[in-house]
Amino acid sequence: QIALKESGPTLVKPTQTLTLTCTFSEFSLSTSGVGVGWIRQPPGEALEWLAVIFWNGDKRYSPSLKSRLTITKDTSKNQVVLIMTNMDPVDTATYYCAHRGPIYPGTFDIWGRGAMVSVSS
Amino acid sequence: QSVLMQPPSVSGAPGQRVTISCTGSSSNIGANYDVHWYQQLPGTAPKLLIYGNNNRPSGVPDRFSGSKSGTSASLAITGLQSEDEADYYCQSYDSSLSGIWVFGGGTKLTVL
Repeated sequence: QIALKESGPTLVKPTQTLTLTCTFSEFSLSTSGVGVGWIRQPPGEALEWLAVIFWNGDKRYSPSLKSRLTITKDTSKNQVVLIMTNMDPVDTATYYCAHRGPIYPGTFDIWGRGAMVSVSS
Repeated sequence: QSVLMQPPSVSGAPGQRVTISCTGSSSNIGANYDVHWYQQLPGTAPKLLIYGNNNRPSGVPDRFSGSKSGTSASLAITGLQSEDEADYYCQSYDSSLSGIWVFGGGTKLTVL
C-alpha cells in the first residue's frame, strides 16, 4: 500500500530556508509515469499546488513561487525534497506531499498526512 | 484568488442531493483538461474522490458523481450523510504559464 510521509521543521524564522522531505514506500520514482508533488494549505484556506517532480527528472513549479522553490529526488532513498527560500509568515501552512501515478492520470491520488510549518520570529 | 472558482459553502439535509460547481476558463477546464475532486474531512489530508471528470476510484460510494461541460464542472452527492460533511476541492491542469496544476478555492459542505 502506497504511503508518503512529510518531515521537516515545525518552526522557521522569517528569511530562513525551509527544507521538507517526503519519504515514500511501495512505489518507485523511477517507474514511468510516476511523480511526487507538493501542495500546501494555510490554516483555514485552500489547497495550493507548489511543485512536482517526475520519474524522468522533469520538474514543474508554481509560477508565483518558482524563484523560491527547488524540488529534487533521491530514487535510491525513496525521497523527494522541497526547498523553499526566504520564508515569510504568509508561508505558514500544512505542507503535503502526494503521489501521482498512471492509474488515476492527472491526479494526486495518495497524500501524506502533512507537515505543519509555522513561520515566526 | 483561486484559478478555479467554487462556492464557499453548500448545505443539505440528510438524504438530499447537493451539487458543488467548479468554474474555470479556456486555459484549463475549457481546454479539455480533466477535472478531479478531493474530499477533505476535518483535520485530515485530502482524499481523491473523482478523477477524470466522472470516474470514482475504488472504494468511493456511487453516491458521488462528477460531470463537466464547457468551462465548468460539478460534483453531485446524493443521499447525503452526516459523514459527508467536509471540504471539497476541484483540481485541473492549466496550460498557461508553461503548465501548472490548479485547485479550486474549496467548498465547505454542511449536513444540516
